Amino acid sequence: DAKTTQPTSMDCAEGRAANLPCNHSTISGNEYVYWYRQIHSQGPQYIIHGLKNNETNEMASLIITEDRKSSTLILPHATLRDTAVYYCIVMDGGSQGNLIFGKGTKLSVKP
Amino acid sequence: GAVVSQHPSWVICKSGTSVKIECRSLDFQATTMFWYRQFPKQSLMLMATSNEGSKATYEQGVEKDKFLINHASLTLSTLTVTSAHPEDSSFYICSARDGRTPLHFGNGTRLTVT
Repeated sequence: DAKTTQPTSMDCAEGRAANLPCNHSTISGNEYVYWYRQIHSQGPQYIIHGLKNNETNEMASLIITEDRKSSTLILPHATLRDTAVYYCIVMDGGSQGNLIFGKGTKLSVKP
Repeated sequence: GAVVSQHPSWVICKSGTSVKIECRSLDFQATTMFWYRQFPKQSLMLMATSNEGSKATYEQGVEKDKFLINHASLTLSTLTVTSAHPEDSSFYICSARDGRTPLHFGNGTRLTVT
């Protein structure tokens, strides 16, 4: 079973920041938080991951709370092409296993 | 970044025939590849784990004789759907890892069995 809880859907205005929350209250010390997204009829796309520090790359920022029980993915300037299902997944950093996908958040960016 | 190529992107076949889907890691060697299946409006479900040079490990409920997986090299894994039936129609997605990078995914194969 997925170890995360995400809202089913969210809307965001084009050009505004999209903040996608994720709860992972049972995360263990060696588990990372990964974010992927899936645009309709495509394979999942890796976005970002982190352990406890905030992370930023060219796609997004990941803010992890100090107790690591929740995190927020931030798309700073959402575009229509960011409309997708966003998945928050926790996994042991040393694991070579698969990712377990929950239902994710359907983000709709509107003009 | 790591690129995983999947082919074909879509295929239509007749019931009873077999279909082969290829998954290649283009710029890294994939020690492990995973095959997922996704039905409409549902999330990805893992079918099997494929390790180079060894037999695949199948998830509960996935028939290994129906979904044949071959991982003969560090850059190629294949999934063959044998004797396909309409209920096998789905979106099949592979992913690959080289042991260091996050898991990267192919763009999926839409299989329609008529």
